[in-house]
Amino acid sequence: AQSVTQLGSHVSVSEGALVLLRCNYSSSVPPYLFWYVQYPNQGLQLLLKYTSAATLVKGINGFEAEFKKSETSFHLTKPSAHMSDAAEYFCAVGKGSNYKLTFGKGTLLTVNP
Amino acid sequence: DTAVSQTPKYLVTQMGNDKSIKCEQNLGHDTMYWYKQDSKKFLKIMFSYNNKELIINETVPNRFSPKSPDKAHLNLHINSLELGDSAVYFCASSQKTSSGGIGEQFFGPGTRLTVL
Repeated sequence: AQSVTQLGSHVSVSEGALVLLRCNYSSSVPPYLFWYVQYPNQGLQLLLKYTSAATLVKGINGFEAEFKKSETSFHLTKPSAHMSDAAEYFCAVGKGSNYKLTFGKGTLLTVNP
Repeated sequence: DTAVSQTPKYLVTQMGNDKSIKCEQNLGHDTMYWYKQDSKKFLKIMFSYNNKELIINETVPNRFSPKSPDKAHLNLHINSLELGDSAVYFCASSQKTSSGGIGEQFFGPGTRLTVL
């Protein structure tokens, strides 16, 4: 079985500060890992995905995530937060033989001026 | 030119009624999904169809019945609606990668169901 834990249901940063959203996964096989963003009253949009090609994955809007097998982590970072980054962020894990994605409980990012 | 569309966007109804939500994707994907997002934003898979065949059927009350008339459509019918069914329902679609791995899931805008 696979699972995802997102540490911190709410993260608050100042504009221009580093964004770090944590995600740890559990998977019995090499995982596929995803980060999605959900803006208010919208559907989810893919930020980036890890599919074993490279451990450092760059996504849209300046976000990136690093896959660390030894730590079973896939934390999301952005060097400088922008007000428009305020949203709910979801980490998800899947495995190649299956279509199912398991989502974490989400982390709400607020950005203070 | 929406990739994954859902109708209606909002649905307000009384307990005990039967309602349907429709989903269409124009991405040419072979797999479609229904998710339920509760008031705490928790996202839970309900069903998935691959080429019109049911492949994921999570623990969901029998009152919920998905139907896929073709690869581009996946509808969700709910009988005897209950207060606890109030949530946002998302449709999504995906296609396996050329190497057979999980492809990105594209989500629709959601249908906010309110049961009174």
